[in-house]
Amino acid sequence: GESVGLHLPTLSVQEGDNSIINCAYSNSASDYFIWYKQESGKGPQFIIDIRSNMDKRQGQRVTVLLNKTVKHLSLQIAATQPGDSAVYFCAEKQGSGGSNYKLTFGKGTLLTVNP
Amino acid sequence: KAGVTQTPRYLIKTRGQQVTLSCSPISGHRSVSWYQQTPGQGLQFLFEYFSETQRNKGNFPGRFSGRQFSNSRSEMNVSTLELGDSALYLCASSLQTGSWDTEAFFGQGTRLTVV
Repeated sequence: GESVGLHLPTLSVQEGDNSIINCAYSNSASDYFIWYKQESGKGPQFIIDIRSNMDKRQGQRVTVLLNKTVKHLSLQIAATQPGDSAVYFCAEKQGSGGSNYKLTFGKGTLLTVNP
Repeated sequence: KAGVTQTPRYLIKTRGQQVTLSCSPISGHRSVSWYQQTPGQGLQFLFEYFSETQRNKGNFPGRFSGRQFSNSRSEMNVSTLELGDSALYLCASSLQTGSWDTEAFFGQGTRLTVV
């Protein structure tokens, strides 16, 4: 039979507004987290990462917050632009630093920026 | 610096055939991972190679296999193709030196269609 597509959470914002994309991760042993952006027809593009010994990390226009108590990750995008429209994935890596590299991805959030 | 290169970009195969996909990681990266992306299941981990050794494997049948060469280039093979194998196959490479985790960079993917 036909496969049912994942029902992606969606976020629609106006150009210039700030965006917040949330992600709940599954494994309390995960020690490294990455946010990716995926545009249609392309592979995921690295945005920002954070290690479990941190609770906040800032990049250019982006900030990642990590709350290990509730296993929650968020990505904040400042002054959202139309070029930010994409699907955003959080990914968690399980296992100790430098060990076998397996990322577990969330189902993604579709961000639409209205001009 | 060249990114992760996957070939071919698009492929159409018939049920029952087998297929080999290729991935050239970023120069110096020793860890190569493969992921399958479908609308129904999202991004799912297939396997990871480091220094020609498979370090981790996801929950896929034995029809899915891979290998890594001494120059870190990797191939994955799918035998006896099924319609459900139609997907975007993504390769990611990571530096992974020492005990620190480093970000994984993805290629553009190979779009496989099984008819």
